[in-house]
This record gives sequence, structure tokens and C-alpha cells, in this order.
Amino acid sequence: DQQVKQNSPSLSVQEGRISILNCDYTNSMFDYFLWYKKYPAEGPTFLISISSIKDKNEDGRFTVFLNKSAKHLSLHIVPSQPGDSAVYFCAATGEGFGNEKLTFGTGTRLTIIP
Amino acid sequence: DTAVSQTPKYLVTQMGNDKSIKCEQNLGHDTMYWYKQDSKKFLKIMFSYNNKELIINETVPNRFSPKSPDKAHLNLHINSLELGDSAVYFCASSQLGPNSPLHFGNGTRLTVT
Repeated sequence: DQQVKQNSPSLSVQEGRISILNCDYTNSMFDYFLWYKKYPAEGPTFLISISSIKDKNEDGRFTVFLNKSAKHLSLHIVPSQPGDSAVYFCAATGEGFGNEKLTFGTGTRLTIIP
Repeated sequence: DTAVSQTPKYLVTQMGNDKSIKCEQNLGHDTMYWYKQDSKKFLKIMFSYNNKELIINETVPNRFSPKSPDKAHLNLHINSLELGDSAVYFCASSQLGPNSPLHFGNGTRLTVT
């Protein structure tokens, strides 16, 4: 039962353009969402998060949008840079449940083309 | 100055053996975790542990056991290894609190032959 889905296993984007990574979830109890970034042979690193009381959170070049009615969130990276090439994991949990209930998607491999 | 370090990076062993993976964090975090990333790239929690409570994912076989000598260490012991245990195992830590981000180690790739 895959409660967090990243339906695009891979994405290629030209340097300088916008990268949009998508994530869908099925569990209506989820109300806190995170994105992690992973380079090869390294562990995932936290990138940005959003609570369900917001529909947008921005941190520099990274913006996460949340559409609760559609149970959909997206990560926008603009402008995309070569160092952004990595696997991006979407994750979700119920607020108050914390990391013990954190559910990850299977990741999207982003490749930035110079 | 690695924040969460785990050893070994690679582990190749035969079925039936017992092995351990070590994890240490120097972030002063209260909670440590073990995650398993299987061949389908699912990253799933196995255990979370702070000095008060061990929470076990009910799907984890009891051949897997976490051991914490102190707050900065959480080692993973695996008995009677099986082929299906082959995966990448990640240690992580976080502050106590529901929305504290995880800090991951670089993973241990376990191959059981």
C-alpha cells in the first residue's frame, strides 16, 4: 500500500530552467510534508517542508506547493543548477506523529543538463 | 566532521551469519533511527529509539535488534541473515519533536549471498 507516490522515476531539465517534481499521497491523516535530496553513495538530506496549514513554502530557489484537496504537492527549483542533479524523495507524516510515522515516496531522479 | 556516521559502508556475507552495523551521531540529537531501502527504492523505518522508548516497526523480523550503548550510538544487529535482507541500511537521528528533520548517515549496503 503505497501511501506516498512519486510517479515520475526520472526527470531531465536544462540548466537555468524550472524543475518541477511531483508527489501524490492517499492518506488524509497526513498533514506535514518534507522533501529530501539524495546524492549517490550518500544519505538523504532534508531540503524543505510544509505544514498543511500553508499552501506554499519558499526557501531560496526551492518552493514547495501543497494542494490538500488534490492530495498533491510539488517541489519547484528555479533556476535549476547542475548541483541539483540528485534523487528527490517526498515524505509525509501526521503532525504529532513525527518521524516514527514518516512515509517516503520512491524518489525522482533529477538530471540537470548543462 | 561527519554528523551521522555508520560503518561499514559495504558488507558482504553469507546466509545464516550474524552481523552488526554501527552508527554514531555527534549532533546531540535525542532520537536515532534505522531505515531500510529495498531493491524497489522504498525507504522504510525499522526502529526509532530515544533514551526512553524503543519503537519497532511491526513488520521487522525479530532477527533484527537495535542496541544503544549511549545516546550517541545505535547499532543494528542482524541474526541468521537471509537473502531478502540484502538492502541499503541507513541510520538517522533527529531532535525530539514531531517535525524535526532527519539527518541520515551515508548508508551500509548489505549483500547476503
